Amino acid sequence: DQQVKQNSPSLSVQEGRISILNCDYTNSMFDYFLWYKKYPAEGPTFLISISSIKDKNEDGRFTVFLNKSAKHLSLHIVPSQPGDSAVYFCAASDGNSGNTPLVFGKGTRLSVIA
Amino acid sequence: EAQVTQNPRYLITVTGKKLTVTCSQNMNHEYMSWYRQDPGLGLRQIYYSMNVEVTDKGDVPEGYKVSRKEKRNFPLILESPSPNQTSLYFCASSFSDSLQETQYFGPGTRLLVL
Repeated sequence: DQQVKQNSPSLSVQEGRISILNCDYTNSMFDYFLWYKKYPAEGPTFLISISSIKDKNEDGRFTVFLNKSAKHLSLHIVPSQPGDSAVYFCAASDGNSGNTPLVFGKGTRLSVIA
Repeated sequence: EAQVTQNPRYLITVTGKKLTVTCSQNMNHEYMSWYRQDPGLGLRQIYYSMNVEVTDKGDVPEGYKVSRKEKRNFPLILESPSPNQTSLYFCASSFSDSLQETQYFGPGTRLLVL
């Protein structure tokens, strides 16, 4: 059973518009969420995170929203740029310890069209 | 430069021939882990290590071994590789065992088992 779901395998957005990447989770014990970005031939790089005590975290063009009751989080990128084209992974953990490893979603491929 | 390195980056081997993929980090990180990335499955954790001589299984440990004799190194060992271990492998490290610490990923090792 997949605990972290990214139901959109791909997304295309016009440059300058907003990109919204969605992630749903099933484990109500998850209390920390992260987004990673991955370019081809490179390892994932950390983008932004949010703790369950918050419902929003913002870092420049990137904002993550958390809706705990719906077990849903989303990553907003505004404005989208061609360099944002990559695969985005949502990840979650249910503890503050290495004993509770991150669970990743399958990823969403974002294409930003100039 | 702070980094996680993996070697080799690409490897083609045959079923049953033992191989080791090395992982090294120069950031004095305590926590290290191995993931595999497969199409449609996202990133799945194989093994992790919270410190020297402390290792534990992740979600998909079957067919793999690891060791953590030194803090900086965390090799992934395939004693008898099989074609279903053809995958893209990532090593990652973070400063402490707190998963709120950012994980830094290596560039990946693409393995083909014939």
